[in-house]
Amino acid sequence: AQTVTQSQPEMSVQEAETVTLSCTYDTSESDYYLFWYKQPPSRQMILVIRQEAYKQQNATENRFSVNFQKAAKSFSLKISDSQLGDAAMYFCAYGGGNTPLVFGKGTRLSVIA
Amino acid sequence: GAVVSQHPSWVICKSGTSVKIECRSLDFQATTMFWYRQFPKQSLMLMATSNEGSKATYEQGVEKDKFLINHASLTLSTLTVTSAHPEDSSFYICSASPRRGGGETQYFGPGTRLLVL
Repeated sequence: AQTVTQSQPEMSVQEAETVTLSCTYDTSESDYYLFWYKQPPSRQMILVIRQEAYKQQNATENRFSVNFQKAAKSFSLKISDSQLGDAAMYFCAYGGGNTPLVFGKGTRLSVIA
Repeated sequence: GAVVSQHPSWVICKSGTSVKIECRSLDFQATTMFWYRQFPKQSLMLMATSNEGSKATYEQGVEKDKFLINHASLTLSTLTVTSAHPEDSSFYICSASPRRGGGETQYFGPGTRLLVL
C-alpha cells in the first residue's frame, strides 16, 4: 500500500522569505501522480501543484515549485516570496484520477509579518 | 478549474436523526467521487469511493449501513449519515475528478460541518 509521510508538523517563515516543506512517499508503481494541497482556515482544499511521475521536469506554479526526486521518493514543496495568505495546512498527496488520494498528515505553515 | 459543491455547508442535528449531504460536480462529469472525513487538526481520512451506477466501496472500519452513499448520476453523489450520534460529528469532504481518465487532479467540495447534539 502507498504511504505518504510529512515529517514537519509545523513550519514558520518570514514574509517574503522562502520555505521548503518536505514529503516522502512509498510506492511500487512506476507511473503515478503527486500533489500538494493547501487547506486554509476555511478548510477548502485547494490544489497548489501537481507532478506527474513520468516527467523528469519539476513542476512550477508561480511562487510554488517542487523538487521531485523519483529514486529517493521525495517530493518537497518550495514557496518563494512567502505571503501572509500562504499561511495554511499543506498536505502532500499521492494518487489522483479515479483512485483515492493518500494524504500525509500535513504541515501547518505560519507566515510571520 | 473544475468546481465541486457540497450542500449543506454545515448542519446541526439531534442524536438519532439522519442527515444527507450532497456533492455535485458543477462543470464536469465524474464517474467516481470520494468521501473523506476530517477531525480537527488531522489529515483527511478516506471513507468510501462512490461509483456512478454501482455500489460504493467502503474503507475498512467504515460502517456501510451507517454511512449510505448513492451516486445517482455523473454529477451527484450523496452521503447519508443514518441515526447520527455525537461521535459522528466531524467535517465531511467530497472530491471528484473529471471523467477524462487516470491521473487527473481531484477537486474538492468546500466540506460539510456536522454537529450531532
